[in-house]
Amino acid sequence: ETGVTQTPRHLVMGMTNKKSLKCEQHLGHNAMYWYKQSAKKPLELMFVYNFKEQTENNSVPSRFSPECPNSSHLFLHLHTLQPEDSALYLCASSQDLRNSPLHFGNGTRLTVT
Amino acid sequence: GQQVMQIPQYQHVQEGEDFTTYCNSSTTLSNIQWYKQRPGGHPVFLIQLVKSGEVKKQKRLTFQFGEAKKNSSLHITATQTTDVGTYFCEITYNTNAGKSTFGDGTTLTVKP
Repeated sequence: ETGVTQTPRHLVMGMTNKKSLKCEQHLGHNAMYWYKQSAKKPLELMFVYNFKEQTENNSVPSRFSPECPNSSHLFLHLHTLQPEDSALYLCASSQDLRNSPLHFGNGTRLTVT
Repeated sequence: GQQVMQIPQYQHVQEGEDFTTYCNSSTTLSNIQWYKQRPGGHPVFLIQLVKSGEVKKQKRLTFQFGEAKKNSSLHITATQTTDVGTYFCEITYNTNAGKSTFGDGTTLTVKP
């Protein structure tokens, strides 16, 4: 199942680096999401976009900056991260906002050194 | 946000035994979704339940939605090693506002 594609699959970055995660969905969905998955909190919602407008920001630190140029693409810009930000970052999409199930990408395994 | 309790956190079974995970909410839900995440993989959608008392089956998997729409269960009959993974429920409690929450998941291991 590759309806939602995430790159890169793995990323190692220092605390002073700037990097971006990319997500693309080929399903014609209207909503896109960023989730953080770690041992501490299995699936933690970060951001929600509906028709490329941000509808939800779950008190995410400003060192994470989302961008949604259109309904098919979603980015997560990272800068000055902390080691505790190391986690699996999952992108997902759904046809409608929350009425329909989520389709997840394979995720980006991020390690902050 | 609304809280959802998923139990148990871990379940170890012998192949062929049954398995059940429960998802409980203190609030009446709009709908509930179930996902499975294999080790090293990503969550994959299994089923959506919408109606009170609804029961859906997928081969050896049976999904139920409580009459009060506050709880749900996923039951696997005669587990196989391919059932290994973490099962998550996602509750949607306010359809108009698009609010939902994931349970912490139940991790199933199956001993052959």
